[in-house]
Amino acid sequence: GEDVEQSLFLSVREGDSSVINCTYTDSSSTYLYWYKQEPGAGLQLLTYIFSNMDMKQDQRLTVLLNKKDKHLSLRIADTQTGDSAIYFCAETQGSNTGKLIFGQGTTLQVKP
Amino acid sequence: DTGVSQNPRHKITKRGQNVTFRCDPISEHNRLYWYRQTLGQGPEFLTYFQNEAQLEKSRLLSDRFSAERPKGSFSTLEIQRTEQGDSAMYLCASSLAPPQISYEQYFGPGTRLTVT
Repeated sequence: GEDVEQSLFLSVREGDSSVINCTYTDSSSTYLYWYKQEPGAGLQLLTYIFSNMDMKQDQRLTVLLNKKDKHLSLRIADTQTGDSAIYFCAETQGSNTGKLIFGQGTTLQVKP
Repeated sequence: DTGVSQNPRHKITKRGQNVTFRCDPISEHNRLYWYRQTLGQGPEFLTYFQNEAQLEKSRLLSDRFSAERPKGSFSTLEIQRTEQGDSAMYLCASSLAPPQISYEQYFGPGTRLTVT
């Protein structure tokens, strides 16, 4: 079946690192994605990782993929108040459709 | 190109009325997706097009829902005989198709539907 799970809430202090975790079920997923959603807004693509990679770094963002455990994480270094938002991980269903299956989102609260 | 646009941004309608939403994708993107998002949940896939062909529809998409992309550019999503359970944010996204295989989907701001 298709299922993507995330913890619902994370609170950190400004300047700390944040780690948002996600587990997925579709072993044939080709790509995994992280999106950010601010209140009342659409989804902003932050980064993605190809399923044959273990890690991808993009400025303050580091994505780690453990394909054996079907575990994905997003680390945000030096978290800022502007990073406060809901973060969604998503997997492609199968290898061809591009259809995304989303988790329910992790609300990141950054305290000054 | 300014990205994916959706109109209207907000729609309030009475139960039983029909509504239509429009999505204009990024101009060079040949894939277009519709998702629905309810409060506290992640987006759920509804349907997608490659050019003008509708390639997949979710089981969530009842017979009251229909989507079109007649010329392979903009798309419309129509809901007939709306019900209160249809209240949600309707999101549109676009991407390139294979051989561009990363399927990076770029989302519009959404249309928030409220059925009273």
